[in-house]
Amino acid sequence: NAGVTQTPKFRVLKTGQSMTLLCAQDMNHEYMYWYRQDPGMGLRLIHYSVGEGTTAKGEVPDGYNVSRLKKQNFLLGLESAAPSQTSVYFCASSYRQIAAGADTQYFGPGTRLTVL
Amino acid sequence: GQQLNQSPQSMFIQEGEDVSMNCTSSSIFNTWLWYKQDPGEGPVLLIALYKAGELTSNGRLTAQFGITRKDSFLNISASIPSDVGIYFCAGRYSGAGSYQLTFGKGTKLSVIP
Repeated sequence: NAGVTQTPKFRVLKTGQSMTLLCAQDMNHEYMYWYRQDPGMGLRLIHYSVGEGTTAKGEVPDGYNVSRLKKQNFLLGLESAAPSQTSVYFCASSYRQIAAGADTQYFGPGTRLTVL
Repeated sequence: GQQLNQSPQSMFIQEGEDVSMNCTSSSIFNTWLWYKQDPGEGPVLLIALYKAGELTSNGRLTAQFGITRKDSFLNISASIPSDVGIYFCAGRYSGAGSYQLTFGKGTKLSVIP
């Protein structure tokens, strides 16, 4: 199993450009998440999904959109990139919370995005 | 929202020393998780805790779920160079509709050989 994979690994954008980050998981997890990590800020949740076709806002959703058309994929979109969106983006997935131990999150390797 | 305070922010220790770090919350959690992040990688789960007072070990790592449910501790014994990285605590209150983890800001560990 590859676990959680993210595409691309690195990207440089100019202000106002758009892009989509792709997350894929092969563990049949119901839940998927997008986080951003900034120096000294830890991990902050952008959006999450509890199943195919459903999405919800996290702590810092502004400027981002997401879609979960297939269970194994979770896409994060930036419609008009801003320098404040320069960050490292992590995708994670987990099983549905039906028992203790089922809700731990597995992370991808990250996408390093720079917006000039 | 819920606040997690993780301390210390950074540590420099000698190889072979023991390490302790902790997280405290402004509200109760019923799940505590500890992750490690190596440079350039995503966080990897080390230990998961689900009951107040629970003490769980994973090799040289030991973590405890505080009795008040507002804190958790991670200890690393006999540190080695590969322990270098950032350690994150994360907590969740699994109430109805609550799917979110709250993360601490991390403890950056440096081990001097």
